[in-house]
Amino acid sequence: ELKVEQNPLFLSMQEGKNYTIYCNYSTTSDRLYWYRQDPGKSLESLFVLLSNGAVKQEGRLMASLDTKARLSTLHITAAVHDLSATYFCAVDHTGTASKLTFGTGTRLQVTL
Amino acid sequence: GAVVSQHPSRVICKSGTSVKIECRSLDFQATTMFWYRQFPKQSLMLMATSNEGSKATYEQGVEKDKFLINHASLTLSTLTVTSAHPEDSSFYICSAEPGQGFYGYTFGSGTRLTVV
Repeated sequence: ELKVEQNPLFLSMQEGKNYTIYCNYSTTSDRLYWYRQDPGKSLESLFVLLSNGAVKQEGRLMASLDTKARLSTLHITAAVHDLSATYFCAVDHTGTASKLTFGTGTRLQVTL
Repeated sequence: GAVVSQHPSRVICKSGTSVKIECRSLDFQATTMFWYRQFPKQSLMLMATSNEGSKATYEQGVEKDKFLINHASLTLSTLTVTSAHPEDSSFYICSAEPGQGFYGYTFGSGTRLTVV
């Protein structure tokens, strides 16, 4: 059974600071996704990581994937209040039937 | 980009009644759609995989008779919560993978179900 763990579960950080969210998963997969969820809303796609060593950046967020270590990171640079949300990683099952297993989520609160 | 439309966005129903949630792919065909449930401050849990023209595949622990899934066309999947009870109150989200060069999964806007 595929398990996906994120840490930290909750992160309070000041504006302007940097931090990294970690996503570990238990079995082989080459596809990993990062999503953002605002309160009461559905998911917004942030990054799609499809191969070992993939790195993608959008604004103050950068995501990377190490399939050998079964680890993905979401790095936040110079945080701003608008980044406050819950961030989920999700891993696609490698096999005949695609489906996602989500991480536990990281609730990010950026304070002034 | 690929869009998944989900309706209704919010529904309140009485215990014992049934509620139907629709999920439509607007600009692509989806032979497979996914239904998730999310309780407050928790992650998304996959309930079932909806397959066009065939039976849905349910995850372990999900009651098939309670959560009826129909995927009658390539653009529409429905989830019916039968004989709803307060413990069924949750946020339900559908998803599809457009494929054909689109990578990643697209999510509907979600349905907030409250059973009173």
